[in-house]
Amino acid sequence: NAGVTQTPKFQVLKTGQSMTLQCAQDMNHEYMSWYRQDPGMGLRLIHYSVGAGITDQGEVPNGYNVSRSTTEDFPLRLLSAAPSQTSVYFCASSYDRARGYTFGSGTRLTVV
Amino acid sequence: KQEVTQIPAALSVPEGENLVLNCSFTDSAIYNLQWFRQDPGKGLTSLLLIQSSQREQTSGRLNASLDKSSGRSTLYIAASQPGDSATYLCALRNNAGNMLTFGGGTRLMVKP
Repeated sequence: NAGVTQTPKFQVLKTGQSMTLQCAQDMNHEYMSWYRQDPGMGLRLIHYSVGAGITDQGEVPNGYNVSRSTTEDFPLRLLSAAPSQTSVYFCASSYDRARGYTFGSGTRLTVV
Repeated sequence: KQEVTQIPAALSVPEGENLVLNCSFTDSAIYNLQWFRQDPGKGLTSLLLIQSSQREQTSGRLNASLDKSSGRSTLYIAASQPGDSATYLCALRNNAGNMLTFGGGTRLMVKP
């Protein structure tokens, strides 16, 4: 039982490049989310999913896309990276509304 | 929109002290509340989960309380230790279950 696995742990991108942050969980959790953490702004929700095939926008969705083709995987795509997307990204998952969220260890992204 | 405030933002105490961290929120329509610990450069570790119908939860030296009517939660740490040094975050889950709203955190340092 690996929990929530995020890859890569670190990434440097050039402005305009695209990339996908991977998130996988092996706990059969229905709810999955992506957050970004920035100094002075705290953790903010980017996108979320309540089950395979269902995704929706959070508080700060611009510049990001998600898909949920399986229960286990919830990748986050940066379409055209901008310096404002420099942040630490966390993926989280939860079995249902009553259970708590489990967080991954994060991806530290720098856009230059 | 839910707003979550954690006071104090930083706290330094000598080892052995009992301490209370505060979390206040503006919207009492929550499903549950989760307290997390975050060590520098690391992910979030769940400490305690309180359902909206509960008043408190305990785990070892930690006790969390919830008062929805006043929009407050507290995390009590008994007999603090240097290993408790970390940032503590409270997060409120909305009734739809698809979103956590985080406070800004309390950075705790316990001095030997």
